[in-house]
Amino acid sequence: QQQVKQSPQSLIVQKGGISIINCAYENTAFDYFPWYQQFPGKGPALLIAIRPDVSEKKEGRFTISFNKSAKQFSLHIMDSQPGDSATYFCAASMLSNTGKLIFGQGTTLQVKP
Amino acid sequence: DVKVTQSSRYLVKRTGEKVFLECVQDMDHENMFWYRQDPGLGLRLIYFSYDVKMKEKGDIPEGYSVSREKKERFSLILESASTNQTSMYLCASSLMGRGSTEAFFGQGTRLTVV
Repeated sequence: QQQVKQSPQSLIVQKGGISIINCAYENTAFDYFPWYQQFPGKGPALLIAIRPDVSEKKEGRFTISFNKSAKQFSLHIMDSQPGDSATYFCAASMLSNTGKLIFGQGTTLQVKP
Repeated sequence: DVKVTQSSRYLVKRTGEKVFLECVQDMDHENMFWYRQDPGLGLRLIYFSYDVKMKEKGDIPEGYSVSREKKERFSLILESASTNQTSMYLCASSLMGRGSTEAFFGQGTRLTVV
């Protein structure tokens, strides 16, 4: 049973465009929702994260939108750049528990120059 | 700088062999994880440890076991390697709860079972 579902599996965006990746979760006990970025040959690294007490968090060109009632959250990459080309993973965790991270299926983003 | 080190980048093993994947972290993190990464399936949790000698099964523990005798070291064991265990294996560590659970990943071990 996939606790965190991510879409789309792949995404192609023109330079300067907006990239949007969506995730949905099932367990309402999750209270921490990070996004990880992975470049080829590297392990994933934390990009941005949100707690469910806010509906949006922005860091530079990256924004997480969070909809608690729908149990959905999304990553928006504004002014997408070729250097943003990577695989993106959403995840969910329970900070009130051990902090075990459950990941989505991943989205491979290609930003065309 | 947090460092998570996996002992091998690439491994080729034969079917039926016992395989050990080693992971060491240097930040005194309580949590350590083993994930398997396959195209289209994302990162699937194999096993999770939140303390020395403590372990919890993830989503796909079958065919795997783990060992955590010291806080900094978490080993993944394939008891009898099979071809369907050919994959990228990623180790990670994090602090337990307390505000954020940023996980730090190693570079991964690409295992091929022939």
